[in-house]
Amino acid sequence: DAGVTQSPTHLIKTRGQQVTLRCSPKSGHDTVSWYQQALGQGPQFIFQYYEEEERQRGNFPDRFSGHQFPNYSSELNVNALLLGDSALYLCASTPRTSGVYTGELFFGEGSRLTVL
Amino acid sequence: DQQVKQNSPSLSVQEGRISILNCDYTNSMFDYFLWYKKYPAEGPTFLISISSIKDKNEDGRFTVFLNKSAKHLSLHIVPSQPGDSAVYFCAASPLGGGSNYKLTFGKGTLLTVNP
Repeated sequence: DAGVTQSPTHLIKTRGQQVTLRCSPKSGHDTVSWYQQALGQGPQFIFQYYEEEERQRGNFPDRFSGHQFPNYSSELNVNALLLGDSALYLCASTPRTSGVYTGELFFGEGSRLTVL
Repeated sequence: DQQVKQNSPSLSVQEGRISILNCDYTNSMFDYFLWYKKYPAEGPTFLISISSIKDKNEDGRFTVFLNKSAKHLSLHIVPSQPGDSAVYFCAASPLGGGSNYKLTFGKGTLLTVNP
């Protein structure tokens, strides 16, 4: 049973460029969340998708956008990259309905973005 | 404004002893509190959680204690094992109102268990 998979694992961009990160949720999961983890910090919530719509959003500018496809996979897009966007981007999935709530998210290994 | 705080960046304990990791929060709207463990080059993995209506939850060697009046929770690991060496994140979440699974994380505590 495949867990959450993310691609690419590492990438380097320059300021002003655009980047797209991809995520496939764990089998049986239909809700995808994205988190940004800067160096020395905890993960910070970017947004959450289910039923192909953005449902919740954290305190991130509009340069950060996303998409969810009918197969539940998701993309995170960041435009006009800044040096401060350098971070590990984590995708997490959950089943939309799962009995007793535990708050458990299933994370992928992340995509490490370096902006030069 | 950090709503979830882990004030100890690191903790070192001997194998077999107890590890106690602490976490404070400021937002009274949090309903669920969680601990995640992260190894290098891996994503965080869920460890244990506790609802705000409880004060203790236990799962094997891991116990989480919640003190709502003090807005404080702690994770106890007994006995500690070298394989427990990792970064531990405290996280909190509101429940309902469309906020399920919107976690707020602390900065993490690096636990090192020495053989």
